[in-house]
Amino acid sequence: SQKIEQNSEALNIQEGKTATLTCNYTNYSPAYLQWYRQDPGRGPVFLLLIRENEKEKRKERLKVTFDTTLKQSLFHITASQPADSATYLCAHSSGGYQKVTFGTGTKLQVIP
Amino acid sequence: KAGVTQTPRYLIKTRGQQVTLSCSPISGHRSVSWYQQTPGQGLQFLFEYFSETQRNKGNFPGRFSGRQFSNSRSEMNVSTLELGDSALYLCASSGREGTDTQYFGPGTRLTVL
Repeated sequence: SQKIEQNSEALNIQEGKTATLTCNYTNYSPAYLQWYRQDPGRGPVFLLLIRENEKEKRKERLKVTFDTTLKQSLFHITASQPADSATYLCAHSSGGYQKVTFGTGTKLQVIP
Repeated sequence: KAGVTQTPRYLIKTRGQQVTLSCSPISGHRSVSWYQQTPGQGLQFLFEYFSETQRNKGNFPGRFSGRQFSNSRSEMNVSTLELGDSALYLCASSGREGTDTQYFGPGTRLTVL
């Protein structure tokens, strides 16, 4: 079955630096990968989606890359702020009405 | 547009009891998925309903069941509760065919004593 691995359970970075989070998947390539943000006690919130034929996607300070050869997606937050502190989840979907599989998440702490 | 709502937000039950959780999706969304989230296991997929039919199912025992109504509202039922069922239960709705972007509710925190 599909496995999604987010290598770091926790990541601490200094305010203003770029945070880079990693998501690796096994088996077959997804139709697209999605990234979500989750704050404590709340449901995840959708941030970005990247399709298998796209190399990069941007939204404001967020950037996602997708490398099907490495079976990996990288999620970047530039000019990080303490308000970016949260858990970030990667999700794999093969489309075709198949279920969405989530990674266990990376807890990001931005230190002022 | 109103978001996904879940009721109740918090629930305390004892072992052996059963529980029903409710989810109202975003208006116009026909797909509703349920997830269990625990600190050790992360987000685990329970099942997905689309137009009142279960379309996908995760690896959970038969004690976990669900249904969807004609107005797309969904309920999830857990019978014979066990201590290990304590978790945050999240409902998500999806509207655009093909991308499966999940719009989550705030969750129901279930504690089994």
